[in-house]
Order: sequence, then C-alpha cells, then structure tokens
Amino acid sequence: DIQMTQSPSSLSASVGDRVTIICRASESIANYLNWYQHKPGQAPQLLIYAASSLQSGVPSRFSGTRSGTEFTLTISSLQPEDFATYFCLQSYGPPWTFGQGTKVEVK
Amino acid sequence: QVHLQESGPGLVKPSETLSLTCTVSGGSISPYYWNWIRQPPGKGLEWIGFVYYSGSTKYNPSLESRVTASVDMSKNQVSLRLNSVTAADTAIYYCARDWGDSCRGGTCHRMWDYWGQGVLVTVSS
Repeated sequence: DIQMTQSPSSLSASVGDRVTIICRASESIANYLNWYQHKPGQAPQLLIYAASSLQSGVPSRFSGTRSGTEFTLTISSLQPEDFATYFCLQSYGPPWTFGQGTKVEVK
Repeated sequence: QVHLQESGPGLVKPSETLSLTCTVSGGSISPYYWNWIRQPPGKGLEWIGFVYYSGSTKYNPSLESRVTASVDMSKNQVSLRLNSVTAADTAIYYCARDWGDSCRGGTCHRMWDYWGQGVLVTVSS
C-alpha cells in the first residue's frame, strides 16, 4: 500500500498566519492527490484536487503544490473559519490511502 | 447542490452484518464511482472500497472478504454491507463521490468532490 505521511499532526496558529501542511507519499503518485477540510459533524470539503487545482468556490488563500512525492497545502492568511482538520488523499494506486490529518487550532 | 446522506443502524451486534445506505440528492448516480470510507474513534481514515454506477466494485484487500457494495439507480442510492463485524469495525462511515481517472494534456488525476457527513456505527452486544 502507498503510505501517506502527513505533518504536522496539529498546529496552533492565529488569524492572518500563513499555514503549511505537508503530505509525503511512499512512492510516486503523480498528481493523484486531493486536500480536504473537515469540521466536526460535517462532510469533508474538497479544497484542492490534482495536487494544485483549486476546487470551484474555494477561497484563493488555499493553494497546493507538488515536488516529486511531497505535496504541500498552504493557507496564505488564516481566517476564523479555517480552524479545522485537514487531510490528504491519494487515489493513484488502490487501496486509496489518507494522511493522518492535521488539526489547525487557535493559538 | 449535490448532497450525500449516510444512514443505517447506529448499533450492530458482534458477528452480525452492518448495512448502510448512502442517498444521493441533487445529482445522479451515473457516471460516477462511489466510495466508502471509515474512521474508527481516534484513528485515521480507511478506504473500504468503491462501486461504479454500472455495479462493478473494488475493495480494500484488508476488508475484501467481508464487504459488498452495490448501487440502486432507481432510488439514487449506494449501499454497503460488512459482515461478521467485531468491535474493530466501530467507526464513522462515509460515502464519497469519485469522478474516476481524468486526463488532460498528459497529466491525470482523480477527483473526489462530495462526501456525506458520516454515520457512527458501534459494534457492541
């Protein structure tokens, strides 16, 4: 199985901060990487697909990049509604696998 | 707006069969893949498997011997059955829509765009 190592597992930040979350794949997954935001009791929301494409309706402060097997989600200026858990999903090789999640908390 | 809603018994006894339904509103079952995912308390997400609108399936090898997924186009529903459950199957279960492989300009990806909010299933006697 392809392992997705996500870091950090949690972080504390303030409104306006720049936040970076990383997922590293254990082998090449090309661009088969999506990023999601998940709030308790709600459905996960797609932010980024194909490693760097912004999903329609998602604010432009969210961005994704890829460097080989390392994928980065960046929130350029954290907003109050962005405090949530973020996770990555690889859908290159089944079984599809997920990062362990990053909880973004108020500093 | 597409909406996915998982439903089913919140409590299942050990050794019995867990049955869940994902009802799709605001969109069609076709031509998508429909994934099932679960998250045990305090643990990470695990992909269970998918069912294509045609009825073809693919499962996680770790669960394949116990899982069956199916579609009901007439009801716009996707279903999951997991048999011989144990306490280790206690989890929040999600369904998610998947567009399948999409390629353009030599690069490909696979987008899962909508998820349900999940349903907690507890396995206990």
